[in-house]
Amino acid sequence: GAGVSQSPSNKVTEKGKDVELRCDPISGHTALYWYRQSLGQGLEFLIYFQGNSAPDKSGLPSDRFSAERTGGSVSTLTIQRTQQEDSAVYLCASSQRGSGSNEQYFGPGTRLTVT
Amino acid sequence: AQTVTQSQPEMSVQEAETVTLSCTYDTSESNYYLFWYKQPPSRQMILVIRQEAYKQQNATENRFSVNFQKAAKSFSLKISDSQLGDTAMYFCAFMKHRGSQGNLIFGKGTKLSVKP
Repeated sequence: GAGVSQSPSNKVTEKGKDVELRCDPISGHTALYWYRQSLGQGLEFLIYFQGNSAPDKSGLPSDRFSAERTGGSVSTLTIQRTQQEDSAVYLCASSQRGSGSNEQYFGPGTRLTVT
Repeated sequence: AQTVTQSQPEMSVQEAETVTLSCTYDTSESNYYLFWYKQPPSRQMILVIRQEAYKQQNATENRFSVNFQKAAKSFSLKISDSQLGDTAMYFCAFMKHRGSQGNLIFGKGTKLSVKP
């Protein structure tokens, strides 16, 4: 079946502009995660959605970062007033609640470059 | 807070040989999950193997096996009969066992090169 998809694959933006990154999780997966992968910091957790519960935003690095998940499916990560240190690969993952396996399936990521 | 340490930034191995990647972690949790993920140049993170901390038996998946030492907080990955397609970044990851879900905490990764 279809895996996790992310768009765009690559995004180049100017410092100070806002960007939106999209994630389509695997159908039926109720949990959705965003991670950031950068050379300096490695892989970092950003935010986690589980069903209709309030999201776990504990990993968001600043209030310029926000995310929403509409209808329990598609998620959008928004970065406002982008800075050069926001340049990274943004990975989305989804998993099936109650599977007991806790396996997260990852998308191919969006490479964000802030110039 | 949990931390995951991979002390080998880069490793190389000859095709068909065996290689072991190291991982240590720090936690006060008694129950948790440990994972090895592979990330080839395509960026797609792929689960290689998973270990549940309450299971003493080491997990195996075909050519991949782990040596899980709970008391030492060590979780190494052994790749047998290395293949060119094993060339990738390998990440060790930790997840708390809270309910059925949780976010992953990753190590910095080990870049593995398999040479013909």
